[in-house]
Parts: sequence; C-alpha cells; structure tokens
Amino acid sequence: QVQLVESGGGVVQSGGSLRLSCVASGFTFSRYGMHWVRQAPGKGLEWVAFIRFTGSDDYYADSVKGRFTISRDNSKNMVFLHMKTLRLEDTAVYYCAKDQVPRGYNGYGCHSWGQGTLVTVSS
Amino acid sequence: NFLLSQPHSVSESPGKTVTISCTRSSGNIASNFVQWYQQRPGSSPTAVIYEGDQRPSGVSDRFSGSIDSSANSASLTISGLKTEDEADYFCQSYDNNNLVFGGGTQLTVV
Repeated sequence: QVQLVESGGGVVQSGGSLRLSCVASGFTFSRYGMHWVRQAPGKGLEWVAFIRFTGSDDYYADSVKGRFTISRDNSKNMVFLHMKTLRLEDTAVYYCAKDQVPRGYNGYGCHSWGQGTLVTVSS
Repeated sequence: NFLLSQPHSVSESPGKTVTISCTRSSGNIASNFVQWYQQRPGSSPTAVIYEGDQRPSGVSDRFSGSIDSSANSASLTISGLKTEDEADYFCQSYDNNNLVFGGGTQLTVV
C-alpha cells in the first residue's frame, strides 16, 4: 500500500530556513507527480507546490513563490521542500501527497497523503 | 484562479443523508475534475471521491459525488450517516497546475 512519511519539521525563527523530506513507498514513485499541501492550526488545506513526475517542472502557490523550492530524487523515492525566509504565517502541518494521475502533465488531485510534519515559525 | 466555496458546517442525524456543496466562483465547474477529502480530527486527509464521481478503493458506496452545471457546483452526498462520518470535508479542483481547495465543511452527526 502507498506510504508517505514526512520529516524535517520543527521550530525555526522568522527569516530562517528548513528542509522537509518525504519518503515514498508502495508505488512506482517515478511515475507520479508530487504535491506539498499545508494546514495552519485550526484552518483549511492550502496547496503549496507541485513537481512533475520527471522532476522537470515545478509550480508554487503565490504565497510561497520565490521562497520555497520543491525537488525530488527518483532514485531514492523522495520529495523535498526547501523553505527559506520563513514567516510566522508559514506555521502549519505540511503534508506530502501523491498525485492521482500517473505520468500526468499537470497536478490534478491528491490520491494519498502522508501523516504530516509540523513547522512552527517563531518570532 | 477561481475560488471554491463550501458551507462552513452541516449537521444531520445518523441514518440520514447529507449533501455538501462546493461552488466554483468563475469558470465552468465541469471543466476540471473535482475531488473530495475527508479529514477526521487529528488525522491526515483521505480521498473519498476523485474525478467528480469516482470512489477510491476501500471507500464506502455511501459516498457519492456529482456535478450541477446549472449551479456551477459539485456535491458530495453521504447516505446512511454514521457517527464515524463526523469529520471535515474539503472539495478540490485544479487550474494551471495549481490545486485549489475549498474552505472545508464540518459535518456533525448527532
């Protein structure tokens, strides 16, 4: 079965940096685009970033563009989120999620989700 | 980008049927597939409907999805409500490689 396990969350000061990791298993990782989605405490879901299955293209929400970078290593079945210039409003649980369409050109939806990792940005 | 609007909360009794709406602010709701996710307290979201009306493996057939083009909205219907259905439900669509989520609907089963 599909498993996604995130790590790398923690407490970081405003303006700081952090790298989140997600290791995938139970499916052919190199065939699927991957997303990062976050959820601030008590709030709804916010899409953050998407990377195509090939790793050739990546896309971002306006709220993180220029500060966050998504990347992947298909040889290790891993996807990453590099976050810099963190702000208080970036505090959230960050989920990695597998896209629902194999070899999809675009991002369509989140078929499977990890358990999430909490990022807390302090002042 | 467009917005997806959901009611903040709905409440219904066990055994009844409830429908949660998701209205798209601009553009045609039918032009991009809609997904629905269930999130129980303290848990990660899980998909209950994808591509408008498809159920992932293992999801009960009490869950169904539909599109109402005249209202430019999608709906999630849960029949035979159980207390375990009590959760937050989020609709989601996409546009230009961005995913768009609705604000979520808190379902209370009492």
